[in-house]
Amino acid sequence: EVQLVESGGGLVQPGGSLRLSCATSGFIFSRFCMSWVRQTPGKGPEWVATIKHDEDGDAYYVDSVKGRFTISRDNAKNSLYLQMNSLRADDTAVYYCARDWIDLAFDHWGQGALVTVSS
Amino acid sequence: DIQMTQSPSSLSASIGDRVTITCRASQDISNYLAWYQQKPGKVPNLLIYGASTLHSGVPPRFSGSGSGTDFTLTISSLQPEDVATYYCQKYSSAPPGFTFGPGTKVDV
Repeated sequence: EVQLVESGGGLVQPGGSLRLSCATSGFIFSRFCMSWVRQTPGKGPEWVATIKHDEDGDAYYVDSVKGRFTISRDNAKNSLYLQMNSLRADDTAVYYCARDWIDLAFDHWGQGALVTVSS
Repeated sequence: DIQMTQSPSSLSASIGDRVTITCRASQDISNYLAWYQQKPGKVPNLLIYGASTLHSGVPPRFSGSGSGTDFTLTISSLQPEDVATYYCQKYSSAPPGFTFGPGTKVDV
C-alpha cells in the first residue's frame, strides 16, 4: 500500500522558515517524480513544486514560490522535502506531498501538513 | 500562463441523474487534462488522466472527453457518494507545471 506521511508543519512568523518532510513507503520511490501541492480552505489545490526522479533531480516551481522554496529528495531514505524561506501570509495552507502519475497528474496524496504564517 | 475555468461552479442534481461538468483551457493543452474528486475533509482523488483514461479503481459511471481547450467530466448516473467538489487540472511542459481549475461543487 502506497503511503505518504508529511511532517514539519506549524506556525511561523512572516519572513521565517520551515522545512516539510514526506516519508513514503509501498512503492519504489526512486522511480517516481514527486510534488508538493497546497490548498487553503474553500479553494482549489495549487501546485507548488515538482522534482524529477532521476539523478539530475531537476526541479520546477510555481512562480509565486521561486527563489523562496526548494524541493529536494533523498532516494536512500524514500523521502521528499520542501524548504520554505521568506514565508508570507499567503503561503498559509495545507501542504500535500503527492506522487506524480506518468508526469501528468497526482495519483497518491499524503494527509497534509498545515502551515500557518502569522505574527 | 494558461488559465483553467470550470462551469458550473456548483450544481444540484438527483440520484440517477446524468451530470456533466465542463473545463476550459485558455490555450490548447492537447489531452494533458486530469480530473479529481475531493470529498469534504478528504484529499483529492484522481479520477481521469489524459482527458479520457479512467484511473484504476474508479467506477465506470465516470467518464472524460475532450481535447485542445474544451473538456467534460460526465457522471452517467449520480450516486449519493458522488457528493464532492470536482477539479480539473492541466499539465504543461513549457514552462513545466500544473494548474488546477476552480472547482465544481456537486450536491444531491
